[in-house]
This record gives sequence, structure tokens and C-alpha cells, in this order.
Amino acid sequence: GNSVTQMEGPVTLSEEAFLTINCTYTATGYPSLFWYVQYPGEGLQLLLKATKADDKGSNKGFEATYRKETTSFHLEKGSVQVSDSAVYFCALIIIQGAQKLVFGQGTRLTINP
Amino acid sequence: NAGVTQTPKFQVLKTGQSMTLQCAQDMNHEYMSWYRQDPGMGLRLIHYSVGAGITDQGEVPNGYNVSRSTTEDFPLRLLSAAPSQTSVYFCASTWGASYGYTFGSGTRLTVV
Repeated sequence: GNSVTQMEGPVTLSEEAFLTINCTYTATGYPSLFWYVQYPGEGLQLLLKATKADDKGSNKGFEATYRKETTSFHLEKGSVQVSDSAVYFCALIIIQGAQKLVFGQGTRLTINP
Repeated sequence: NAGVTQTPKFQVLKTGQSMTLQCAQDMNHEYMSWYRQDPGMGLRLIHYSVGAGITDQGEVPNGYNVSRSTTEDFPLRLLSAAPSQTSVYFCASTWGASYGYTFGSGTRLTVV
């Protein structure tokens, strides 16, 4: 089947630290990959995406590269801010079929000033 | 503003009551889905639709019904509410895999 595995949280960092949140996937077809962010008390927002191997998605200083050989889509940011504190979800959609979005379990990130 | 609109934002039900969570999108998206979010369990797919008149079950469909009579609307019905259905419910829609889903702001449901 199709599944997404994220690194266990919570993750706590100091402001300006480097961030990596690991994400790996298994897919029966060819997936598009996504990172969503959920700020406290809010819904999910699309942070970035990549639709084919070796594509790099980027937004708000965050980046992730679609690595087909390692089935990974790790989220990175060079210098985090307090405002980045949120829950981050890695997800995939198989291009063929019903376009169902499959989520990882989420990683809670807290940035301390 | 274009997007996914969910109503109500908050609801308290007594066990055994029924209700409908409303979801509407104005982006002409073909694909729509309902998720529930529980602490420590991420988001789980309840039902989804690939177009008007076509719906199917996700991973946790029991106790819920859906219909899709128009492209815009995808209501979720709780038939007989149970405390296990206490959760936050999100509706989402998309044109397809390359675009990602747009999410509503959620409905926080408590069943007592």
C-alpha cells in the first residue's frame, strides 16, 4: 500500500538553528509529494510540493527534494524562527486513481527564542 | 475569497444525535475529501469523492455518510453520534495530484 513515515517528535530547537524533519514513503504508483503545516488552532496549509523525481519544492525558506532512489522527501530550513513553531505533515498523492492524500503522523516543532 | 468553507466551526452533540457538517468549495475542484484529526494519530480519511455523484469510503468510514450532488458541496453526516467521534474534522479539495489539497479551517466536534 501507500504510506508515509515521519521522524518522531516533538522537536525543540533554538532560534536560528538548522532544521531537518525526515520523511520517507512507500507507494504503489508514482506519487506527488507535499509538506503541510498546521499552526496552533488552525487548519492545514500547503507549504511546498514536488511532483517528480529530483524536483525541489521551496517556500518561506523551507526546502525539500524528491529523492526517488531513497524514497525520501526531507524538510529543511537553514535558520528557524519562533514563528515556525507548528506541526508539520509530510504527505503523498498517487497520480493515478482517486487522488487520495496520504499523511504521515506529523511532527510538532517548537522554536525557543 | 476562494477556498474551502466549513460550517459550523464548533459543535457539541449528545450521544445518539445526528448532524451534518457542511463543506463547500468555489474553485471547481473535482476531488473532495473528509478527514478527522485526533491527538497523536494524524489525519485519517473518512470519505472521498472524485466528482459529482461519485463517493467512496476511506479508512474510517463507519458512522458517517456522504453525498456529492454538486461539484461545490460535500456534506458529512453523522448518523448517531458517539463519544468516539469527538474530533476535529477537515474538508479538503483539489484539481488533482500535482496541485495538492486545499483545506478548510475545520469543525471541532465534541460528543458527550
